[in-house]
Amino acid sequence: AQKVTQAQTEISVVEKEDVTLDCVYETRDTTYYLFWYKQPPSGELVFLIRRNSFDEQNEISGRYSWNFQKSTSSFNFTITASQVVDSAVYFCALNPGAAGNKLTFGGGTRVLVKP
Amino acid sequence: AAGVIQSPRHLIKEKRETATLKCYPIPRHDTVYWYQQGPGQDPQFLISFYEKMQSDKGSIPDRFSAQQFSDYHSELNMSSLELGDSALYFCASSGRGLLDEQYFGPGTRLTVT
Repeated sequence: AQKVTQAQTEISVVEKEDVTLDCVYETRDTTYYLFWYKQPPSGELVFLIRRNSFDEQNEISGRYSWNFQKSTSSFNFTITASQVVDSAVYFCALNPGAAGNKLTFGGGTRVLVKP
Repeated sequence: AAGVIQSPRHLIKEKRETATLKCYPIPRHDTVYWYQQGPGQDPQFLISFYEKMQSDKGSIPDRFSAQQFSDYHSELNMSSLELGDSALYFCASSGRGLLDEQYFGPGTRLTVT
């Protein structure tokens, strides 16, 4: 069975501060994919990034960066120089690979960026 | 670029009524997924279809059924609605690749009174 845990339920920061969201996952599959989605107050789910289990190269994309550590089963996400528009709920999700394509989501972390 | 279309966007029903939610995937996407997100909850997988056949099933109640049609659109039928069915229902679609990322529609907010 797959499980995704986001221990932080809510993070509040002041604009321009950095925010790091934690994600820990459990799976028995050797091939799997990890995702981050953003859900703004309007409700839609916005795809941010996908990483496969064989690619531990971390990446920076604009103000976003990701840290995938297979040894600790963690896939953390950082927003640098946060902005008010970053206020949203962020979900980490796991796709079990060969076992199917459904996504298992973590509980989400609500990020509130204050001006 | 075209996105996943869901209709209606909002729906209000009474207990014991039925509801039908529709999903139109991104063109050339052949896989459709349905998720249910209760208030303050994370999305939960309900069911998926690949090439009009059910490909996976999650925690979908027996009162719910779904299908994918020849034009790849999908419908989620919900009967004997209960208050607890009030949620945001997302449809997502993906392409032919086994692990293509899923693109989500805007969701249908169902309120059961």
